Amino acid sequence: SQQGEEDPQALSIQEGENATMNCSYKTSINNLQWYRQNSGRGLVHLILIRSNEREKHSGRLRVTLDTSKKSSSLLITASRAADTASYFCATDAAGSARQLTFGSGTQLTVLP
Amino acid sequence: NAGVMQNPRHLVRRRGQEARLRCSPMKGHSHVYWYRQLPEEGLKFMVYLQKENIIDESGMPKERFSAEFPKEGPSILRIQQVVRGDSAAYFCASSPRQPEAFFGQGTRLTVV
Repeated sequence: SQQGEEDPQALSIQEGENATMNCSYKTSINNLQWYRQNSGRGLVHLILIRSNEREKHSGRLRVTLDTSKKSSSLLITASRAADTASYFCATDAAGSARQLTFGSGTQLTVLP
Repeated sequence: NAGVMQNPRHLVRRRGQEARLRCSPMKGHSHVYWYRQLPEEGLKFMVYLQKENIIDESGMPKERFSAEFPKEGPSILRIQQVVRGDSAAYFCASSPRQPEAFFGQGTRLTVV
């Protein structure tokens, strides 16, 4: 799989449920970021987790990072219809001059 | 402090014409990145610039594509002699010293 590969590719849930998306990567990283993209729009930065952190919270978002497994998860609790979007993880690989490597994203649909 | 500004939002070019995409980074940001997104895919890194310098252009096609970030004015991504395969959304991001990148709304290029 490519660096920053999300799983699942698409996820459909009911409003109020939790949504969990996973991301795997291949190389050593400085940090990992999650972004949201609404259809036809730009990317909105959600949260950044550094390689020496294991878990981070921001509002209804919870991100975990397991550097031994080279994986991260994004949990959105109590989802809302407005959370419908594509979610991308992006890695800032060690020694990479800080460009981000994106996965192909998870399309989340929250049904009202 | 306005966000990253990209213009135009939509650009239509005929095959063989030139496309110029502009990006004004956030105030105080001296690092600019360009990414390309094909439909249903994640973003792919193209080029990383600082003022008047190209730091990393490893993701940019060798021919027809060029980028600059002059001392004064916006960063420009230039595509000469466009082909249908250049149709995509082009995103610019800027960052200060921190690793977070702030993205613009993108320019959607359609080559007809």
